[in-house]
Amino acid sequence: GAGVSQSPRYKVAKRGQDVALRCDPISGHVSLFWYQQALGQGPEFLTYFQNEAQLDKSGLPSDRFFAERPEGSVSTLKIQRTQQEDSAVYLCASSPTGIVEQYFGPGTRLTVT
Amino acid sequence: KNQVEQSPQSLIILEGKNCTLQCNYTVSPFSNLRWYKQDTGRGPVSLTIMTFSENTKSNGRYTATLDADTKQSSLHITASQLSDSASYICVVSEERGNKLTFGTGTQLKVEL
Repeated sequence: GAGVSQSPRYKVAKRGQDVALRCDPISGHVSLFWYQQALGQGPEFLTYFQNEAQLDKSGLPSDRFFAERPEGSVSTLKIQRTQQEDSAVYLCASSPTGIVEQYFGPGTRLTVT
Repeated sequence: KNQVEQSPQSLIILEGKNCTLQCNYTVSPFSNLRWYKQDTGRGPVSLTIMTFSENTKSNGRYTATLDADTKQSSLHITASQLSDSASYICVVSEERGNKLTFGTGTQLKVEL
């Protein structure tokens, strides 16, 4: 069956531009997570949704980062006024309610020049 | 701050050999520990998940162990294959919520 998909797979942005990264979770999965993975590092938690409710956004590094999931399915991570330190792979994961397992998408590699 | 530390940082082994990767964590209260395999350019894929009451779990050629008292885990790979070349990440979940703390991974390369 279809897994978690993310788009675009690669994004190059000039410093100061806004970007929007999309995540399509597995159909029916209630929980959705965003992670940031710097080169050579493990992923770091950004934010978590249960349906359309953003229950935890403690990992968002600044107010330039904003995530939404308005209909409880597709989610968008928006980064405003991008900076070089935002360059990373952004991973999305989803899971069914009450299940521990998280299923990851392939990630979007963002490069800010 | 909750931390997950892995060793070695990188490892090269010959095809067919066994290897063991280590993970130490300070996450508390602890819910479960997972090992993920991440191929280059792909998202992590789960290999094993263990709760504090489990001390070993196998998935094919992968065997994970957990000592919740010493807060240590290991991942043993037997009869390695070229396709095992990847980053292996230890991940610990806190007791409440769904937040995961990831280690930096061990980069494994299997050579002929």
